[in-house]
Amino acid sequence: AQTVTQSQPEMSVQEAETVTLSCTYDTSESNYYLFWYKQPPSRQMILVIRQEAYKQQNATENRFSVNFQKAAKSFSLKISDSQLGDTAMYFCAFMNPNAGGTSYGKLTFGQGTILTVHP
Amino acid sequence: DADVTQTPRNRITKTGKRIMLECSQTKGHDRMYWYRQDPGLGLQLIYYSFDVKDINKGEISDGYSVSRQAQAKFSLSLESAIPNQTALYFCATSDRLRPETQYFGPGTRLLVL
Repeated sequence: AQTVTQSQPEMSVQEAETVTLSCTYDTSESNYYLFWYKQPPSRQMILVIRQEAYKQQNATENRFSVNFQKAAKSFSLKISDSQLGDTAMYFCAFMNPNAGGTSYGKLTFGQGTILTVHP
Repeated sequence: DADVTQTPRNRITKTGKRIMLECSQTKGHDRMYWYRQDPGLGLQLIYYSFDVKDINKGEISDGYSVSRQAQAKFSLSLESAIPNQTALYFCATSDRLRPETQYFGPGTRLLVL
């Protein structure tokens, strides 16, 4: 079974600075997807960034980028030029695209990291 | 307008009552999912549906049932609510061409007394 671990329950950063959120996972699969989701106080789950395991290049979406280390099973999120609107709970998630039955489409989530951006 | 909507946004009910949570989407996606979120546990998959005639149990389906009334609508029912079903419930959708990327609704907060 896959597991996802986020070891930082809370993080804080000053506006305009850079912060990195950590995520590690455990799987025996070679092909999989990794995601970072953002959940602001509005409760909406918003997809931030997506990484395919077979791609060595790290994904980037504007101010958000990842450091994907497949051998180490590490998937960290870097937020550059932090903004007040980045304040949210951030979830790392894993998906095995080949899983069937009750595990199909199953996103395995970490426990989440609460990020607070201070003015 | 939101692509994935859920009603109600908040609901308080009593033990033993039947309750339905509704999800609608305008993304044109064929795949829909129901998850629940408990504090400290992330999200867990309850049911998923590939299309109107294809519905499947997820990892925590006991105590829940679903109905896919149309491609755009997927409802979750609690036949006899119990307090440990108090949670945040999310609907999500994905497209068959990119099934690994799911888009979530705003969530329904349910409190069972």
